[in-house]
Amino acid sequence: DGGITQSPKYLFRKEGQNVTLSCEQNLNHDAMYWYRQDPGQGLRLIYYSQIVNDFQKGDIAEGYSVSREKKESFPLTVTSAQKNPTAFYLCASIQSSGSYNSPLHFGNGTRLTVT
Amino acid sequence: DQQVKQNSPSLSVQEGRISILNCDYTNSMFDYFLWYKKYPAEGPTFLISISSIKDKNEDGRFTVFLNKSAKHLSLHIVPSQPGDSAVYFCAAEKDGGSQGNLIFGKGTKLSVKP
Repeated sequence: DGGITQSPKYLFRKEGQNVTLSCEQNLNHDAMYWYRQDPGQGLRLIYYSQIVNDFQKGDIAEGYSVSREKKESFPLTVTSAQKNPTAFYLCASIQSSGSYNSPLHFGNGTRLTVT
Repeated sequence: DQQVKQNSPSLSVQEGRISILNCDYTNSMFDYFLWYKKYPAEGPTFLISISSIKDKNEDGRFTVFLNKSAKHLSLHIVPSQPGDSAVYFCAAEKDGGSQGNLIFGKGTKLSVKP
C-alpha cells in the first residue's frame, strides 16, 4: 500500500537541541512538502522540493533546514534557531504532472514538543 | 494578511441534514481550490477540488460551489453523517504557482449529531 510515513508520531526535545523529523514516501511522487500546523491555525508551508537535490523555502522557513538526497525521503531539521518549534508537522507529496487531478497527499504527522 | 478565510470556527448540524462550510479568499490569482478533511492527530485527507473555470463540482455527497466574482466557495455535504465530524480546511493554489504550494484557511470544525 503506497503512502507517506512520518516518524515518530510524538517527539519530545529540550530547548536548544536540533531535531530531525523523518518523512518517507513510496508513491513515486516527484515533489515533497513540509507544513506546520498550530492550534486553531491553518497549515503553513515550511519547505518544499520538486526534484532530488533541490528545495525551496516556503512561507515560514526560518529556523528549519531540509535535504532531498533521495526521491522518497525529505527529512526536516528543526534547529535551535526556530523560536516556537512546538507544533504538529505534516509531510506531503504530489506527482508534479501539471494536472489538477493530482492533489497533495499528507502523512499522519509528527507532534513535536520542545520544553 | 490572511488570503484564505474560513470565518466559522465551528458548525453543528443534525445527522441527515445539509452541512454548508464557507470559505472566502482575497487573491484573484488563485485558480484552483481544494477541501481537505482532518481528524485529530492525523494528516488531512483530500476531499474535493474545483478549478476556477468551473462553478460547481460534485462527488457523491460532497459538492463544492465557486463564486469567482464574490471570491467565495462553499462545501455542501448532503446528507451529513456522524462520520463527517472533523475539521475541514479550505485551500487555494496560485495560478502559475508550484502544485502543492497551498494557502490554507484556519479550518471549520464540523460536528454532526446523531
